[in-house]
Amino acid sequence: AQSVTQLDSQVPVFEEAPVELRCNYSSSVSVYLFWYVQYPNQGLQLLLKYLSGSTLVKGINGFEAEFNKSQTSFHLRKPSVHISDTAEYFCAVSLYTGGFKTIFGAGTRLFVKA
Amino acid sequence: DSGVTQTPKHLITATGQRVTLRCSPRSGDLSVYWYQQSLDQGLQFLIHYYNGEERAKGNILERFSAQQFPDLHSELNLSSLELGDSALYFCASSQTGQGAGELFFGEGSRLTVL
Repeated sequence: AQSVTQLDSQVPVFEEAPVELRCNYSSSVSVYLFWYVQYPNQGLQLLLKYLSGSTLVKGINGFEAEFNKSQTSFHLRKPSVHISDTAEYFCAVSLYTGGFKTIFGAGTRLFVKA
Repeated sequence: DSGVTQTPKHLITATGQRVTLRCSPRSGDLSVYWYQQSLDQGLQFLIHYYNGEERAKGNILERFSAQQFPDLHSELNLSSLELGDSALYFCASSQTGQGAGELFFGEGSRLTVL
């Protein structure tokens, strides 16, 4: 069965510090990988995606992620966070099982402190 | 603004009742996805429609049904409601049904079952 595991439910970090949000997936078929962000009282919006090619993917707001096929991981990083980065972050995989569906992890709450 | 419109934004009803949630996708998007977000289950994929046809099913209960109309808007029908159905229901759309594309999320419909 396919699954997405976000290893940390909450990550508190000080402003201007680096952060890494961890994501591992399990799938017997090829997948596309995504990170989405959800601000309070809003829907999700795309941060970045990996389809193929270079394993280091850059997204919006200074975020980047690295695909590691051998470890089936897709960790999200930012070298210096801002207060405005406080939000819920979701890792997702899109896979084909007769039709495409996108499965999300449980989410990681990033809390940036001043 | 993602371009995806969901109505109603909030809905309060009683157990045993039936409700309909509506979603208008972004202009030109042929795919509509429904998700349920709750504190204990996270973001669960329910169903995917592409150009009027059901393409993939997730953890959708038999009491729930959905359809996509010729004008591409979609409705999610929830019947015989239970307390546990209280959740935020998101609709997302994408241009194609091929899985590599970004999902654009609406702001959700918050359902409270009393």
